[in-house]
Amino acid sequence: ETGVTQTPRHLVMGMTNKKSLKCEQHLGHNAMYWYKQSAKKPLELMFVYNFKEQTENNSVPSRFSPECPNSSHLFLHLHTLQPEDSALYLCASSQDQGGTGNQPQHFGDGTRLSIL
Amino acid sequence: DAKTTQPPSMDCAEGRAANLPCNHSTISGNEYVYWYRQIHSQGPQYIIHGLKNNETNEMASLIITEDRKSSTLILPHATLRDTAVYYCIVRDAFSGYSTLTFGKGTMLLVSP
Repeated sequence: ETGVTQTPRHLVMGMTNKKSLKCEQHLGHNAMYWYKQSAKKPLELMFVYNFKEQTENNSVPSRFSPECPNSSHLFLHLHTLQPEDSALYLCASSQDQGGTGNQPQHFGDGTRLSIL
Repeated sequence: DAKTTQPPSMDCAEGRAANLPCNHSTISGNEYVYWYRQIHSQGPQYIIHGLKNNETNEMASLIITEDRKSSTLILPHATLRDTAVYYCIVRDAFSGYSTLTFGKGTMLLVSP
């Protein structure tokens, strides 16, 4: 039990499909993150939510749409993806304390996404 | 955030101590040193972090030099399950939420 659960673990979809990735954290944290990890590339931060408000969008294409209905749940809605979007998508959470950011992030095991 | 430099790979015999170095020569006074690892097919796992003093927890020890320009992560008795990519990251303690910038890390291979 990692405290951060991502579903599904694997997803194969066509370029015209619409799907959603789900992340749930059971740690009582107030910040949640989406990262993308492509083969042989470092993790790339995509979005940050702090107290349910989006605080960072790291130049992510609009075909990726995040949603944070509450501090425990985070979604990534996908539509009209491209083959280069195939990657491991990781969710993380942390307890941020309004200005002091030395709390570690805790990650889920990711969703392995393949675009056909 | 300051950049870090780590060797791309290291080997360690099972049961021996694994000492993973990290250079962060441009670290500023407000920046913490964090260590994460990523085992194949899993998400990154937090290991330890520190500011100035050496730190120890149930997983590892973190030794930070007095000038804070480098650090070493020590796994005292490495096991096969410690085979993973280890990431050293520095980040500002006062940048608000905890964004992390991952580099390429060190691939640690623990062998029997």
